[in-house]
Parts: sequence; C-alpha cells; structure tokens
Amino acid sequence: EVQLVESGGGLVQPGGSLRLSCAASGFISSDYYMEWVRQAPGKGLEWVGRARDKGNGYTTEYAASVKGRFTISRDASQNSLFLQMSSLKTDDTAVYYCVRVAKCSGGWNCFDSWGQGTLVTVSS
Amino acid sequence: DIQLTQSPSFLSASVGDRLTISCRASQGISNDLAWYQQKPGKAPKLLIYTASTLQYGVPSRFSGSGSGTEFTLTISSLQPEDFATYHCQQLNSYPLTFGGGTKVEIK
Repeated sequence: EVQLVESGGGLVQPGGSLRLSCAASGFISSDYYMEWVRQAPGKGLEWVGRARDKGNGYTTEYAASVKGRFTISRDASQNSLFLQMSSLKTDDTAVYYCVRVAKCSGGWNCFDSWGQGTLVTVSS
Repeated sequence: DIQLTQSPSFLSASVGDRLTISCRASQGISNDLAWYQQKPGKAPKLLIYTASTLQYGVPSRFSGSGSGTEFTLTISSLQPEDFATYHCQQLNSYPLTFGGGTKVEIK
C-alpha cells in the first residue's frame, strides 16, 4: 500500500526555519516525481514545488512565492522527501502536503497519492 | 502564470442531482487538467486527469470534459459522499496552479 507520512510541522516565528519530512512506503520514491502542495487555513491549494525522479536527476521547480527560501531534497536511502523552509513569513502558514506524481497517459500528470499533511504556523 | 477560474465557488444541491462545475484557464492548456475532491480535514483525492480520464477506483458518475481553456467536471447523480470541495489543477506549465475550489453542500 502506498503511504506518505509528513512530519516536522509546528509553530515558528517569522524569519525562522523549519524542515519538513515525508516518509514514503509501498513504493520506491526515487522512481517518481514528488511534490509539495500547501493549503492555508480556509483557502485553496497552492503548489509549492517539485522534485523530479532519479532518471531526471532529481531536479527541482519552485513556485515564485517560495523560490530562494525553500529547498526540496530527497534521500533515496531513506525513501524520503524533505522541504527545508527558511525566512518564513506569516503567509507561509498552511498545511503542507507531500504528493506522489505518477506517469499517466505519457506524462507526469497524476497527483495520485497524498500524505495527511503537516501544519506549519508562522507567528510571533 | 496560468490562472484557473472555477465556477461556481459554492453550490447547494440535493442527492440525485446532476452537477456541473466549470474551470476556465487564462490561456490554452491542451488537456493538461486534473480534478480533485477534498473533504474537511482530509487530503485531496485525484478524480480525473488529462481532463477526462477517470482515476482508478473513482465511481463512473464522475466525468470530465474539455480542452484548451474550458473544462467541466460533471457528477451525474449526486450521492451523500460527494458533498465536498472540488479543485481543478493545470499541469501544462510552471508554476502548476489550482482553481479556487467549488464547495458542494447539501440543500
């Protein structure tokens, strides 16, 4: 069974840093694109960034709102994905979801498995 | 950035109703669109990808259509478990973007 479990969320002051982890099981995460998607309280979904699969060199993409502040990394030996967040702002307050992307109909276009999410609260 | 506009943002409906939700893209995205269902306190669930392909295990009362800039999610006969928020997402170009969501509530 495919499972994604996020951890590392919590309360942090503006300007602070936090590292989120996503432990994958039931599949080899390095064979898939992996994403971070967030949702501010009572708001819609916002794509944060992507880490491509091993075959594509684990290269990354980021939303403009987090570029330069957030870094996505992977550890194949732990079958895990990470999100290093720095210079945090109150607008970064959200539930952060780890997502697996499968290759469907020839493209990496199926956000087919989501973790339960971890809440990050940025507040003084 | 490609903007996705969902309409309506809120919908009140009854069990058995036929429902249609629209998602309009600010520029053409071919068929690179997905639909998700989200219930309160839960993660989104993939319903449809490439605009019209039903994800494995999703009931056939859900269907998607469209291409270019206009897309539609249809629920042919609303069931009690379908009351939720629905999101569209474009995967055509970065940044990947989502629509604002459509909340479906019981009338």
